[in-house]
Amino acid sequence: DTAVSQTPKYLVTQMGNDKSIKCEQNLGHDTMYWYKQDSKKFLKIMFSYNNKELIINETVPNRFSPKSPDKAHLNLHINSLELGDSAVYFCASSQDLQSLNEQFFGPGTRLTVL
Amino acid sequence: AQSVTQLGSHVSVSEGALVLLRCNYSSSVPPYLFWYVQYPNQGLQLLLKYTTGATLVKGINGFEAEFKKSETSFHLTKPSAHMSDAAEYFCAVSTPNDYKLSFGAGTTVTVRA
Repeated sequence: DTAVSQTPKYLVTQMGNDKSIKCEQNLGHDTMYWYKQDSKKFLKIMFSYNNKELIINETVPNRFSPKSPDKAHLNLHINSLELGDSAVYFCASSQDLQSLNEQFFGPGTRLTVL
Repeated sequence: AQSVTQLGSHVSVSEGALVLLRCNYSSSVPPYLFWYVQYPNQGLQLLLKYTTGATLVKGINGFEAEFKKSETSFHLTKPSAHMSDAAEYFCAVSTPNDYKLSFGAGTTVTVRA
């Protein structure tokens, strides 16, 4: 049973295209996150949602639009892809917003923009 | 704002030797501290965390870390390295009402046979 799943695992696309990454968690958690890991493996939070409500938006370009149709899903849509968007994107979830909670990470989506 | 600094981007150890990964934090309020491990082509997995109470924290796979407030440190150790410990290790910090983790730059551990 996969706790946090992401699709697709790999995504190769051309500059200027629009793409989406899907995330689902079956842990019954209230809070979900999107992180970006760059080529130097530095991890930075992009968004967090709690009970479908946006909590954190870390100065991410508005080409990135998260959508949470329900508590178990947090999808990431990216418009007009740029070369600098190439990275590994991780979805994560935690029981609730409390900062001391463990975050459970998905396997990542490796996005390559050509 | 809180932050962490991981000293040493790469650590190479012999199998059976001590593993020591260094993490120093900066926070104006009492922090929550975490160590996560990332195996190749996988997501992150929690090794251990410190929130309050006992400053020596034991985690999975034989790892432990000690919170030292006076040194603003949370170093990770394992007495005897195993080949399966080869991975990327991330220290992270959060605080109450912060609602997010701030990660260090990571330390790559390689284990020599």
